[in-house]
Amino acid sequence: GENVEQHPSTLSVQEGDSAVIKCTYSDSASNYFPWYKQELGKGPQLIIDIRSNVGEKKDQRIAVTLNKTAKHFSLHITETQPEDSAVYFCAASNGWSFGNEKLTFGTGTRLTIIP
Amino acid sequence: KAGVTQTPRYLIKTRGQQVTLSCSPISGHRSVSWYQQTPGQGLQFLFEYFSETQRNKGNFPGRFSGRQFSNSRSEMNVSTLELGDSALYLCASKSDSSSYEQYFGPGTRLTVT
Repeated sequence: GENVEQHPSTLSVQEGDSAVIKCTYSDSASNYFPWYKQELGKGPQLIIDIRSNVGEKKDQRIAVTLNKTAKHFSLHITETQPEDSAVYFCAASNGWSFGNEKLTFGTGTRLTIIP
Repeated sequence: KAGVTQTPRYLIKTRGQQVTLSCSPISGHRSVSWYQQTPGQGLQFLFEYFSETQRNKGNFPGRFSGRQFSNSRSEMNVSTLELGDSALYLCASKSDSSSYEQYFGPGTRLTVT
């Protein structure tokens, strides 16, 4: 089955700097890669996603890049703000074909923004 | 649109008991998935339901079961609770079988003593 590795497990950056979180996946059939943000006491919140036919996607201060050849994808947060502090999870799935309707998650990155 | 709702939010049970958790998906969403989140194992897939049918199941023992009703609301049941079942149980919904985006509820925190 799919295996997703995520690094680093913790990350501290100064407010205003950029943060990068990286994930690798094992199943070459995976074609959907979402990123979730989880704040204390809440469920994961979908913040951005990318499909395998796209190499990069951007939404304001957040961007995701995908390298299908190397089987890795990354989350980039620019101009970080205190409210970006949270645990971030990457995930992968192979397109919701029947019998494969699940996300495989990375182990999470605790991001701390230092004011 | 209201998000995914889960009840109860917190639950304390004793070993050997059983528990039922409830999930109401986003209005119009027909797919509901359940995940277990623990510090040691992270987020792990339990099962997924679509139109009252279980389409996929993760690697959990048979003590974990679920169902989905005609209004898409879902329940999961854990029988003969063990200490290791203490976790945050998350429900997620997506609109249909061809959509990708999955949205999570706030979870039910289950503590087994």
